[in-house]
Amino acid sequence: EAQVTQNPRYLITVTGKKLTVTCSQNMNHEYMSWYRQDPGLGLRQIYYSMNVEVTDKGDVPEGYKVSRKEKRNFPLILESPSPNQTSLYFCASSLGGGLADTQYFGPGTRLTVL
Amino acid sequence: AQSVAQPEDQVNVAEGNPLTVKCTYSVSGNPYLFWYVQYPNRGLQFLLKYITGDNLVKGSYGFEAEFNKSQTSFHLKKPSALVSDSALYFCAVRDSMNTGFQKLVFGTGTRLLVSP
Repeated sequence: EAQVTQNPRYLITVTGKKLTVTCSQNMNHEYMSWYRQDPGLGLRQIYYSMNVEVTDKGDVPEGYKVSRKEKRNFPLILESPSPNQTSLYFCASSLGGGLADTQYFGPGTRLTVL
Repeated sequence: AQSVAQPEDQVNVAEGNPLTVKCTYSVSGNPYLFWYVQYPNRGLQFLLKYITGDNLVKGSYGFEAEFNKSQTSFHLKKPSALVSDSALYFCAVRDSMNTGFQKLVFGTGTRLLVSP
Protein backbone atom coordinates (compact mmCIF):
# COMPACT_ATOMS: atom_id res chain seq x y z
CA GLU A 1 0.00 0.00 0.00
CA ALA A 2 1.29 3.43 -0.97
CA GLN A 3 1.67 5.46 2.18
CA VAL A 4 3.54 7.91 4.34
CA THR A 5 4.35 6.61 7.78
CA GLN A 6 5.41 8.51 10.88
CA ASN A 7 6.76 7.37 14.21
CA PRO A 8 5.98 7.78 16.97
CA ARG A 9 2.32 8.67 16.72
CA TYR A 10 2.26 10.12 20.23
CA LEU A 11 5.12 11.52 22.27
CA ILE A 12 5.35 13.26 25.60
CA THR A 13 8.73 14.67 26.50
CA VAL A 14 10.35 17.32 28.65
CA THR A 15 11.97 20.60 27.73
CA GLY A 16 15.46 20.23 26.30
CA LYS A 17 15.44 16.50 25.63
CA LYS A 18 16.41 15.92 22.02
CA LEU A 19 13.95 13.92 19.95
CA THR A 20 13.47 12.70 16.40
CA VAL A 21 10.24 12.03 14.58
CA THR A 22 10.72 9.70 11.65
CA CYS A 23 8.93 9.89 8.32
CA SER A 24 9.09 7.39 5.51
CA GLN A 25 7.31 7.10 2.16
CA ASN A 26 7.17 4.14 -0.19
CA MET A 27 6.02 5.97 -3.32
CA ASN A 28 9.44 6.99 -4.64
CA HIS A 29 8.45 10.63 -4.24
CA GLU A 30 11.02 13.37 -4.79
CA TYR A 31 9.52 15.98 -2.49
CA MET A 32 8.86 15.73 1.20
CA SER A 33 7.68 18.28 3.75
CA TRP A 34 7.00 18.72 7.42
CA TYR A 35 4.05 20.71 8.73
CA ARG A 36 2.74 21.55 12.15
CA GLN A 37 -0.95 21.96 12.87
CA ASP A 38 -2.16 24.27 15.61
CA PRO A 39 -5.74 25.24 16.45
CA GLY A 40 -6.89 28.29 14.56
CA LEU A 41 -3.71 28.39 12.47
CA GLY A 42 -4.19 25.52 10.06
CA LEU A 43 -1.05 23.79 8.82
CA ARG A 44 2.22 25.63 8.52
CA GLN A 45 5.25 24.30 6.70
CA ILE A 46 8.39 23.75 8.77
CA TYR A 47 10.89 22.38 6.24
CA TYR A 48 10.81 20.74 2.87
CA SER A 49 13.14 18.68 0.74
CA MET A 50 13.34 18.54 -3.04
CA ASN A 51 15.65 15.54 -3.17
CA VAL A 52 18.35 13.71 -1.30
CA GLU A 53 20.62 16.19 0.50
CA VAL A 54 18.49 19.15 -0.65
CA THR A 55 16.41 20.82 2.03
CA ASP A 56 15.06 24.30 2.65
CA LYS A 57 13.19 26.25 5.28
CA GLY A 58 9.46 26.67 5.30
CA ASP A 59 7.49 29.26 7.20
CA VAL A 60 8.27 28.18 10.77
CA PRO A 61 11.71 26.49 10.83
CA GLU A 62 12.99 27.85 14.15
CA GLY A 63 13.85 25.11 16.60
CA TYR A 64 13.76 22.31 14.04
CA LYS A 65 16.26 20.46 11.89
CA VAL A 66 15.80 17.97 9.10
CA SER A 67 17.94 15.69 7.00
CA ARG A 68 17.40 13.78 3.77
CA LYS A 69 20.06 11.13 3.44
CA GLU A 70 17.80 8.68 1.65
CA LYS A 71 14.98 9.39 -0.74
CA ARG A 72 12.35 7.60 1.30
CA ASN A 73 13.16 9.09 4.72
CA PHE A 74 12.83 12.62 6.06
CA PRO A 75 13.25 12.80 9.84
CA LEU A 76 12.35 15.87 11.88
CA ILE A 77 14.74 16.67 14.70
CA LEU A 78 14.05 18.83 17.73
CA GLU A 79 17.41 19.30 19.40
CA SER A 80 16.08 21.19 22.42
CA PRO A 81 12.29 21.01 22.49
CA SER A 82 10.32 23.74 24.19
CA PRO A 83 6.66 23.87 25.26
CA ASN A 84 5.75 26.08 22.27
CA GLN A 85 6.61 23.14 20.04
CA THR A 86 3.72 21.18 21.47
CA SER A 87 1.71 20.50 18.34
CA LEU A 88 0.44 17.97 15.84
CA TYR A 89 3.07 17.25 13.19
CA PHE A 90 2.50 15.94 9.70
CA CYS A 91 4.92 14.66 7.14
CA ALA A 92 3.92 14.82 3.48
CA SER A 93 5.35 13.71 0.18
CA SER A 94 4.67 14.39 -3.49
CA LEU A 95 6.02 13.04 -6.73
CA GLY A 96 7.13 16.49 -7.81
CA GLY A 97 7.13 20.01 -6.49
CA GLY A 98 5.00 21.49 -9.21
CA LEU A 99 1.71 23.28 -9.06
CA ALA A 100 -0.46 20.31 -9.85
CA ASP A 101 1.37 17.79 -7.69
CA THR A 102 -0.71 16.37 -4.87
CA GLN A 103 0.86 16.07 -1.44
CA TYR A 104 0.09 12.92 0.51
CA PHE A 105 0.16 13.10 4.28
CA GLY A 106 1.19 10.77 7.04
CA PRO A 107 -1.06 9.99 10.03
CA GLY A 108 0.47 12.66 12.24
CA THR A 109 2.54 12.77 15.42
CA ARG A 110 1.09 14.43 18.47
CA LEU A 111 3.93 15.94 20.48
CA THR A 112 3.63 17.34 23.98
CA VAL A 113 6.61 19.14 25.52
CA LEU A 114 6.34 19.66 29.26
CA ALA B 1 1.50 36.35 -0.80
CA GLN B 2 -0.98 33.62 -1.49
CA SER B 3 -3.61 32.83 1.12
CA VAL B 4 -6.88 31.05 1.65
CA ALA B 5 -9.70 31.87 4.02
CA GLN B 6 -12.24 29.51 5.47
CA PRO B 7 -14.77 31.89 6.99
CA GLU B 8 -16.67 29.29 9.02
CA ASP B 9 -15.07 27.51 11.95
CA GLN B 10 -17.92 25.01 11.98
CA VAL B 11 -20.72 23.95 9.69
CA ASN B 12 -23.69 21.97 10.96
CA VAL B 13 -25.93 20.03 8.63
CA ALA B 14 -28.48 17.27 8.98
CA GLU B 15 -27.86 13.92 7.34
CA GLY B 16 -29.31 13.78 3.86
CA ASN B 17 -29.14 17.54 3.35
CA PRO B 18 -26.69 19.20 0.97
CA LEU B 19 -23.55 20.63 2.49
CA THR B 20 -21.23 23.46 1.55
CA VAL B 21 -17.88 24.29 3.11
CA LYS B 22 -16.63 27.67 1.97
CA CYS B 23 -13.16 28.70 0.84
CA THR B 24 -11.91 31.91 -0.73
CA TYR B 25 -8.42 32.47 -2.02
CA SER B 26 -5.97 35.21 -2.83
CA VAL B 27 -3.08 34.57 -5.23
CA SER B 28 -0.94 36.67 -7.50
CA GLY B 29 -1.05 34.22 -10.39
CA ASN B 30 -3.25 31.34 -11.47
CA PRO B 31 -4.72 29.45 -8.53
CA TYR B 32 -4.13 25.76 -7.96
CA LEU B 33 -6.58 24.72 -5.26
CA PHE B 34 -6.92 21.65 -3.09
CA TRP B 35 -9.29 20.23 -0.50
CA TYR B 36 -8.19 17.84 2.23
CA VAL B 37 -10.18 16.11 4.97
CA GLN B 38 -8.95 15.11 8.41
CA TYR B 39 -10.90 12.47 10.30
CA PRO B 40 -10.37 12.17 14.06
CA ASN B 41 -6.93 10.79 14.91
CA ARG B 42 -6.10 10.45 11.25
CA GLY B 43 -3.86 12.27 8.81
CA LEU B 44 -5.03 14.54 6.04
CA GLN B 45 -6.60 12.80 3.10
CA PHE B 46 -6.67 14.35 -0.35
CA LEU B 47 -10.21 14.97 -1.67
CA LEU B 48 -9.84 16.89 -4.91
CA LYS B 49 -7.98 19.63 -6.72
CA TYR B 50 -8.57 22.32 -9.31
CA ILE B 51 -5.81 22.94 -11.81
CA THR B 52 -7.54 24.22 -14.91
CA GLY B 53 -10.54 23.47 -17.10
CA ASP B 54 -14.02 22.63 -15.84
CA ASN B 55 -15.08 24.78 -12.92
CA LEU B 56 -16.82 21.83 -11.24
CA VAL B 57 -14.32 19.34 -9.89
CA LYS B 58 -15.37 15.92 -8.69
CA GLY B 59 -13.43 14.15 -5.97
CA SER B 60 -13.46 11.32 -3.49
CA TYR B 61 -16.38 10.17 -1.31
CA GLY B 62 -18.96 12.00 -3.45
CA PHE B 63 -17.52 15.45 -2.83
CA GLU B 64 -17.22 18.11 -5.48
CA ALA B 65 -15.98 21.69 -5.53
CA GLU B 66 -16.94 24.67 -7.58
CA PHE B 67 -14.24 27.06 -8.75
CA ASN B 68 -15.43 30.64 -9.25
CA LYS B 69 -12.75 32.97 -10.56
CA SER B 70 -14.77 36.17 -10.29
CA GLN B 71 -15.58 35.49 -6.64
CA THR B 72 -12.17 33.92 -5.95
CA SER B 73 -13.90 31.01 -4.29
CA PHE B 74 -13.54 27.24 -4.24
CA HIS B 75 -16.42 25.91 -2.15
CA LEU B 76 -16.63 22.23 -1.28
CA LYS B 77 -20.02 20.62 -1.78
CA LYS B 78 -21.87 17.36 -1.42
CA PRO B 79 -25.48 16.78 -2.47
CA SER B 80 -26.39 14.56 0.48
CA ALA B 81 -24.38 14.60 3.72
CA LEU B 82 -23.58 11.49 5.73
CA VAL B 83 -22.84 11.31 9.44
CA SER B 84 -19.50 9.79 8.48
CA ASP B 85 -18.61 13.02 6.66
CA SER B 86 -18.13 14.70 10.05
CA ALA B 87 -14.51 15.79 10.05
CA LEU B 88 -12.17 18.76 9.73
CA TYR B 89 -11.83 20.13 6.20
CA PHE B 90 -8.91 22.17 4.89
CA CYS B 91 -8.69 24.26 1.77
CA ALA B 92 -5.20 24.91 0.36
CA VAL B 93 -3.67 26.84 -2.51
CA ARG B 94 -0.47 26.96 -4.52
CA ASP B 95 0.68 30.12 -6.23
CA SER B 96 1.94 29.79 -9.78
CA MET B 97 4.02 32.94 -9.46
CA ASN B 98 6.50 31.30 -7.14
CA THR B 99 9.54 29.46 -8.38
CA GLY B 100 11.01 26.33 -6.90
CA PHE B 101 9.00 24.12 -4.63
CA GLN B 102 5.35 25.03 -4.83
CA LYS B 103 4.38 25.19 -1.21
CA LEU B 104 0.82 24.50 -0.13
CA VAL B 105 -0.76 27.26 1.94
CA PHE B 106 -3.60 26.02 4.12
CA GLY B 107 -6.68 27.65 5.52
CA THR B 108 -7.50 27.37 9.20
CA GLY B 109 -9.95 24.54 8.69
CA THR B 110 -13.72 24.09 8.98
CA ARG B 111 -15.24 21.48 11.23
CA LEU B 112 -18.22 19.77 9.63
CA LEU B 113 -20.77 18.17 11.95
CA VAL B 114 -23.46 16.05 10.35
CA SER B 115 -26.29 15.15 12.69
CA PRO B 116 -28.39 11.99 12.29
